[in-house]
Amino acid sequence: DQQVKQNSPSLSVQEGRISILNCDYTNSMFDYFLWYKKYPAEGPTFLISISSIKDKNEDGRFTVFLNKSAKHLSLHIVPSQPGDSAVYFCAASAKSNYQLIWGAGTKLIIKP
Amino acid sequence: GAGVSQSPSNKVTEKGKDVELRCDPISGHTALYWYRQSLGQGLEFLIYFQGNSAPDKSGLPSDRFSAERTGGSVSTLTIQRTQQEDSAVYLCASSLLAGAHVGTDTQYFGPGTRLTVL
Repeated sequence: DQQVKQNSPSLSVQEGRISILNCDYTNSMFDYFLWYKKYPAEGPTFLISISSIKDKNEDGRFTVFLNKSAKHLSLHIVPSQPGDSAVYFCAASAKSNYQLIWGAGTKLIIKP
Repeated sequence: GAGVSQSPSNKVTEKGKDVELRCDPISGHTALYWYRQSLGQGLEFLIYFQGNSAPDKSGLPSDRFSAERTGGSVSTLTIQRTQQEDSAVYLCASSLLAGAHVGTDTQYFGPGTRLTVL
């Protein structure tokens, strides 16, 4: 039972355009959502997070949107840069549980 | 400062052999996690250590898997009698936690150990 789903295994975007990565979840108890970025042969690194009491969080070129009614969140990167090429993981947590539940990841490719 | 380190970076072993994977967390981090990532999958939680509390082993897939954390620092994940389905990247992460919500407590990951069981 996949509680966190990233349905797009890969995404290709032109440099300078907007990248939109999507994530869906099923557990209404999740109260925090996180995005991690992973380069090959490296561990994931934290990118941005959002609490379930918010619907938007912005940090520079990165914005995360949360739609609780749809159980959907998205990560927007604008403008996309070549260094953004990586695998992006969506993860979620519930306050009562310290475990993070992870999606399978989306590989983002930024084309020059 | 130094990040999370893991060794070895790659390990190839024969089915039935035992393997040990090591994780050195960031100094001062009280929480330590082990995850497994199989090809095309997300990270799968294995085990969690927090300070001197008993570890949460609920994610370990079988009794062939065990882990320990000595002195609240270095951790070793041991897989006995390895099977081909154990082939994956094993990731370790550490965090300050100290009572914080896991959603707000950033986990710092090591580069992982790629285990291949022939």
